[in-house]
Amino acid sequence: AQSVTQLGSHVSVSEGALVLLRCNYSSSVPPYLFWYVQYPNQGLQLLLKYTTGATLVKGINGFEAEFKKSETSFHLTKPSAHMSDAAEYFCAVESGYSTLTFGKGTMLLVSP
Amino acid sequence: DGGITQSPKYLFRKEGQNVTLSCEQNLNHDAMYWYRQDPGQGLRLIYYSQIVNDFQKGDIAEGYSVSREKKESFPLTVTSAQKNPTAFYLCASRGRGDYGYTFGSGTRLTVV
Repeated sequence: AQSVTQLGSHVSVSEGALVLLRCNYSSSVPPYLFWYVQYPNQGLQLLLKYTTGATLVKGINGFEAEFKKSETSFHLTKPSAHMSDAAEYFCAVESGYSTLTFGKGTMLLVSP
Repeated sequence: DGGITQSPKYLFRKEGQNVTLSCEQNLNHDAMYWYRQDPGQGLRLIYYSQIVNDFQKGDIAEGYSVSREKKESFPLTVTSAQKNPTAFYLCASRGRGDYGYTFGSGTRLTVV
């Protein structure tokens, strides 16, 4: 079985500040890990993914995430928040060629 | 451009009625998925299909039904047996060998 825990249902940052969204997973086999972003009343857009290889993954819009096997974590970061980053972010895990399991999401609020 | 089309974007249903949500993709993807999204609960898997004429129940299949008669189409029927159908429904697909999903823009169903 696989599961995802996202710490914090809401994260607030000021524009220009560091963004850190936390994700921990459990998986019985080497996982594939994903971050998606969702704007209101829209579908999910893939930000980045880790499958194999380099553990630091760069995605779109300046986001990156680091896979840390020892900590079972895949935290999402961005050095400087922009107002347009305000959205809901979902971490997801896949073990083998199976379905994705999603976390409950973290709403990122960006203030001027 | 290839993509996934969900229709309608908004749907209202009276209690006791069945309603069908459409999901069409022109990405030539083999696998298709239906998720339900409720505030604070993330995405929960309803049904998925990895090949035409075959589908499997997800975590919350009760009160829902699907069909997969064509590769391009994976309609979801919300039946009157679904006790709390008001939610945002997301359809996704995946090509063979791909990691992660491509999502549609969702259908918001409201029971009135």
